Amino acid sequence: GQNIDQPTEMTATEGAIVQINCTYQTSGFNGLFWYQQHAGEAPTFLSYNVLDGLEEKGRFSSFLSRSKGYSYLLLKELQMKDSASYLCAADQTGANNLFFGTGTRLTVIP
Amino acid sequence: AAGVIQSPRHLIKEKRETATLKCYPIPRHDTVYWYQQGPGQDPQFLISFYEKMQSDKGSIPDRFSAQQFSDYHSELNMSSLELGDSALYFCASSLAGGGAREQYFGPGTRLTVT
Repeated sequence: GQNIDQPTEMTATEGAIVQINCTYQTSGFNGLFWYQQHAGEAPTFLSYNVLDGLEEKGRFSSFLSRSKGYSYLLLKELQMKDSASYLCAADQTGANNLFFGTGTRLTVIP
Repeated sequence: AAGVIQSPRHLIKEKRETATLKCYPIPRHDTVYWYQQGPGQDPQFLISFYEKMQSDKGSIPDRFSAQQFSDYHSELNMSSLELGDSALYFCASSLAGGGAREQYFGPGTRLTVT
């Protein structure tokens, strides 16, 4: 079967660092996406990992371990506007769609 | 830069009515995806099209149908609407054959069935 697990909610302080974990089980795995979604808005692309390791993009970094079926999104220097849901999604071989996790709702507090 | 366009942005229908949602992908994108997102839920994949042919099918009810036209825009047709169909419907587009197949999402259509 296929499954993606993320924590449901997280809270962090403005200026801090937060790590959002995602574990996945899918058949035929190509890579893993992270999207940010503010309430009532469309998901926006953050990162895509195919190879193992850490990819850094400004304040956001994403890590993938294919052997462990594990990824995380690291957000540094948190800002209030980072309060949103963060969705991890698997890109599966032979499937022309994304399989989303349930998302992690991050709340940034002053 | 041009983004994915969806229309209408909001739609209110009664039970058993029909609805048609439209999606205009980013220029030169050849693949379109439809997702349904209920309140507090993750996006659920419905159906996708590549070069006007259905390329993948997810949890799309038999009451729904979709197609992609020669100009690559897509329409999602929903019949015999039920209260449970109330949700945000996102369309996304991508360029097939590219490395990551990154999907760009439209702003969504909020459908309310009363």
